[in-house]
Amino acid sequence: GAVVSQHPSRVICKSGTSVKIECRSLDFQATTMFWYRQFPKQSLMLMATSNEGSKATYEQGVEKDKFLINHASLTLSTLTVTSAHPEDSSFYICSARDSRTGGAVGTEAFFGQGTRLTVV
Amino acid sequence: SQQGEEDPQALSIQEGENATMNCSYKTSINNLQWYRQNSGRGLVHLILIRSNEREKHSGRLRVTLDTSKKSSSLLITASRAADTASYFCALDFQKLVFGTGTRLLVSP
Repeated sequence: GAVVSQHPSRVICKSGTSVKIECRSLDFQATTMFWYRQFPKQSLMLMATSNEGSKATYEQGVEKDKFLINHASLTLSTLTVTSAHPEDSSFYICSARDSRTGGAVGTEAFFGQGTRLTVV
Repeated sequence: SQQGEEDPQALSIQEGENATMNCSYKTSINNLQWYRQNSGRGLVHLILIRSNEREKHSGRLRVTLDTSKKSSSLLITASRAADTASYFCALDFQKLVFGTGTRLLVSP
């Protein structure tokens, strides 16, 4: 199956600093990627939809200025957590669908392995 | 809310037993997907079922969909310790909206 590579897998940062998480589709193109956040023993909550070449679409309640998303190419989306605070500590996961199959409803989504962010 | 509600929240069984997880939702859907997540890892796609399908099989997995009741179920037959994971239903819009999840523990 298709592979989505997410990096880093773990990161510890100090309060007030910014952290960038990368999500790459290795063997397919993705015009759209999705960023989720997951708290321990809870479900995945969609944060935003990343659109190649245009602005991301954020879910209600997600701060655009805090979670900066850039989708500069058909294989790379980045999430930057700016001025991180301990409450931003969480597990962040990206996903994408293959644009060749329409990348839309009714197709399988591929997930990165997630990034465990700890803000101290 | 578009999110699916799954039950049970947690399920503990012995190897060889069957495990059934249920997902109920409130909105109309075109497709519903099931995913598996090992602890601290990404998600793996299991099955996609379309709204005009009632049942689908993949190996030891069987998924049903009842659009009139707005519910779906995932059955894992002859479970193995390696099936221990969290299982999520996902309502398939342009974005995937995940259910609350079922944590399955299969003991040897």
